[in-house]
Amino acid sequence: GAVVSQHPSWVICKSGTSVKIECRSLDFQATTMFWYRQFPKQSLMLMATSNEGSKATYEQGVEKDKFLINHASLTLSTLTVTSAHPEDSSFYICSARVSGGQGAITGELFFGEGSRLTVL
Amino acid sequence: DAKTTQPPSMDCAEGRAANLPCNHSTISGNEYVYWYRQIHSQGPQYIIHGLKNNETNEMASLIITEDRKSSTLILPHATLRDTAVYYCIVRVESGGYQKVTFGTGTKLQVIP
Repeated sequence: GAVVSQHPSWVICKSGTSVKIECRSLDFQATTMFWYRQFPKQSLMLMATSNEGSKATYEQGVEKDKFLINHASLTLSTLTVTSAHPEDSSFYICSARVSGGQGAITGELFFGEGSRLTVL
Repeated sequence: DAKTTQPPSMDCAEGRAANLPCNHSTISGNEYVYWYRQIHSQGPQYIIHGLKNNETNEMASLIITEDRKSSTLILPHATLRDTAVYYCIVRVESGGYQKVTFGTGTKLQVIP
């Protein structure tokens, strides 16, 4: 089946540094990817919708200058947490909506394994 | 905003059927009911989806009421590995630019 890969799966960084998380669709094309954040014992919170070749659409309350999203190709979207602080520590999950490719139904949604960020 | 409501938690004995309800009273005619589950510290996993007919696959069955305002996910023989948070979502199948949001889900605990 279709696979979405996130990298890194976990990262620890110092406060004030920036961290980039990659989300790749391995065997299908995805014009739309979603980024979520999940705090312990809570549900997934949608942060932004990433569309290939255009600016991301951010949810209310999500700082676009802090969470930079780039979706430069049909198989890759990146989330950069700039000037990370301890309150940014969370589980970040991406999902990709199939727009084409063999073996997957157009419109289907697949999730990455998640990336756990810990900011010291 | 999430358009579904689910009970926060449920217990099920191992080997028995787990029936997880979901209310989606404002579902639109072109929206499907999707179910995902999330095992601790992993990304959500697709389970099943349907429009108005009942659906079954190797993982589960989905029963949708005739008015489509609610549905039930059935795990026929729950195992300990089915312990997870189960999310019910409504969305159009092709997606377009519709964003996908999650409600609070149901935490299913399968008990030995």
